[in-house]
Amino acid sequence: AQSVAQPEDQVNVAEGNPLTVKCTYSVSGNPYLFWYVQYPNRGLQFLLKYITGDNLVKGSYGFEAEFNKSQTSFHLKKPSALVSDSALYFCAVRDMNRDDKIIFGKGTRLHILP
Amino acid sequence: EPEVTQTPSHQVTQMGQEVILRCVPISNHLYFYWYRQILGQKVEFLVSFYNNEISEKSEIFDDQFSVERPDGSNFTLKIRSTKLEDSAMYFCASSPLGQGDYQPQHFGDGTRLSIL
Repeated sequence: AQSVAQPEDQVNVAEGNPLTVKCTYSVSGNPYLFWYVQYPNRGLQFLLKYITGDNLVKGSYGFEAEFNKSQTSFHLKKPSALVSDSALYFCAVRDMNRDDKIIFGKGTRLHILP
Repeated sequence: EPEVTQTPSHQVTQMGQEVILRCVPISNHLYFYWYRQILGQKVEFLVSFYNNEISEKSEIFDDQFSVERPDGSNFTLKIRSTKLEDSAMYFCASSPLGQGDYQPQHFGDGTRLSIL
């Protein structure tokens, strides 16, 4: 069965410091992996995806994520955090060989300290 | 940039009543989805819809739920007889393609459903 784990409920980072939001996944086939961000009272916004190719993918707002097949991880990173990055971040996975359903992690609240 | 729009933003309904949540997906998209997020919990898949029929549904999507694309632009989620545990944020999403060259799903801002 597909599953996604985000082990941290909250991550606190000082502004200007690098940030990492962790995600591990489990699928029976090859994964499609995604990161979405949710600002208060807003829907989920797509940040980036991994389908195939380079393990390091770049997305919106300066975010990037690294696909690690051996560790089944897809951690979200940013070299220098902004206060405006404070939001709820969701990792998601879709099994490439299955239908369109995406499975979301429970979310990690990112709090950037000014 | 085109957006998925959902109405209303907040719906308050008495338990046992029927409720219809409305969504206007992005116009050239072909796949449509409903998700829900109970307060403080993760986003859960409910149903996907393609070519005027349900393509996949979760165990949450029981006989109380139905979806419809009545007029080629709207995509609705109906809950026939609401229960307290249906209180959640409901998100609609759409994408231009499903399998193959996968495109990300675009989400609306959600409808907060409160069952009294």
